[in-house]
Amino acid sequence: GMPVEQNPPALSLYEGADSGLRCNFSTTMKSVQWFQQNHRGRLITLFYLAQGTKENGRLKSTFNSKERYSTLHIKDAQLEDSGTYFCAAEWRSYQNFYFGKGTSLTVIP
Amino acid sequence: EAAVTQSPRNKVAVTGGKVTLSCNQTNNHNNMYWYRQDTGHGLRLIHYSYGAGSTEKGDIPDGYKASRPSQENFSLILELATPSQTSVYFCASGDDYEQYFGPGTRLTVL
Repeated sequence: GMPVEQNPPALSLYEGADSGLRCNFSTTMKSVQWFQQNHRGRLITLFYLAQGTKENGRLKSTFNSKERYSTLHIKDAQLEDSGTYFCAAEWRSYQNFYFGKGTSLTVIP
Repeated sequence: EAAVTQSPRNKVAVTGGKVTLSCNQTNNHNNMYWYRQDTGHGLRLIHYSYGAGSTEKGDIPDGYKASRPSQENFSLILELATPSQTSVYFCASGDDYEQYFGPGTRLTVL
């Protein structure tokens, strides 16, 4: 099966709401990255984590290699947060990343 | 700021034809990647490179070759294009911690 399972596949939030996305891994991963793909298709790196938690503004991500999961929390959702969010985990070979299928986020005014 | 460019941005090819997708980065990153993105699959790694002269197979390398003639350039080659290779292709460059993506190339094989 796929080494990276991402949930939920789709999510709708009202402006100002908080929510979380999650990736579960079938095995121990070395690191994880989170990306946002905007409405123009551009991919933007949000976080890289080898362990622990990172925050950047309204976004916060956690990676627990031992428990085999990573999360991305969005606080005070804004319209520009709409897009598709992907996690990608580094498995086996150095720099060989496996992507989840993505979470399509829609922020509603 | 990191800059990764891809050419062409759109390409229509015929089955059996040869297609070359080009990627250029000005970040001086050692690592470069080629992914394809399809509905229902997310992004899948085709080939990657650790530096000039090196290419490594990713998750789905069959039907694709890669070439890294210099630090800046990384090409993806479809020797005999097939309709199943219709997709959006992304190139990325990266260091040990972050990847920077190009704008993508939409390839249609008829």
